[in-house]
Amino acid sequence: DGGITQSPKYLFRKEGQNVTLSCEQNLNHDAMYWYRQDPGQGLRLIYYSQIVNDFQKGDIAEGYSVSREKKESFPLTVTSAQKNPTAFYLCASSNPEGSGANVLTFGAGSRLTVL
Amino acid sequence: AQSVSQHNHHVILSEAASLELGCNYSYGGTVNLFWYVQYPGQHLQLLLKYFSGDPLVKGIKGFEAEFIKSKFSFNLRKPSVQWSDTAEYFCAVTPNTGGFKTIFGAGTRLFVKA
Repeated sequence: DGGITQSPKYLFRKEGQNVTLSCEQNLNHDAMYWYRQDPGQGLRLIYYSQIVNDFQKGDIAEGYSVSREKKESFPLTVTSAQKNPTAFYLCASSNPEGSGANVLTFGAGSRLTVL
Repeated sequence: AQSVSQHNHHVILSEAASLELGCNYSYGGTVNLFWYVQYPGQHLQLLLKYFSGDPLVKGIKGFEAEFIKSKFSFNLRKPSVQWSDTAEYFCAVTPNTGGFKTIFGAGTRLFVKA
C-alpha cells in the first residue's frame, strides 16, 4: 500500500543531543513537509520541500535541519539548538496543483521526548 | 500574517446531537479550505475540501462544510454525531497563489458520549 512511513514512533533523548527523524514516502509525491504538533497549537510548519535538493523554511525552522537528496525521503534533524524539542512530529507529502489545491497525506508521526 | 482560528478547543456531545465547529481565517485573497480529522490512534486524514464552485461541500462520514466568503468562515457540520466521530478536527487553509504552505488551526477535540 502507498503511504508515508515515519520512524521511530517514539524517541527519548538527553538534552544537547541531535536526533534525526526519518520520513519515507512511496506515493511518488513531489512535495514533502514537516510539521510539529503541540496541544492547543495545532500543526506548525517546520520545513517543506517542493523538489529534490530544494527546501524552504516554514514558520518555526530554528533549531531544525532537513535534507532532500531523494524524492522519497525527507529526514528531519532536531538539533541541540532547538529550545523546546519535546513534541509530536508529523511528516506529510503532496502533489500540489498550481492553484494551491494541495491535499496533504500524513504519516503516523514520531513522538520525541527530551529528558 | 495568515492565520486560522477555531472557536472551540473542546466539545462534548451526546450521540445524535448536531455538530457545528467554527473556523475563520485571515487572508485577503482566494483560498483553498480543508478540514482534516485525527481519530484516536490513526493518521491525520482529509475530511473534506473546498477549492471552488458550490460553497457547500460534502465529505466523508456525513460531514459537510460551508464556505462563506464574506465572513472568512468554513464551518464544519454534521446533523447527527456518532460515538465513532470522537476525534480531533483541524481546519486548514492554503492561499490560492500556487504556494505550498498549508496553515492549520489549533484543532478542536470532539468527544461523543454513547
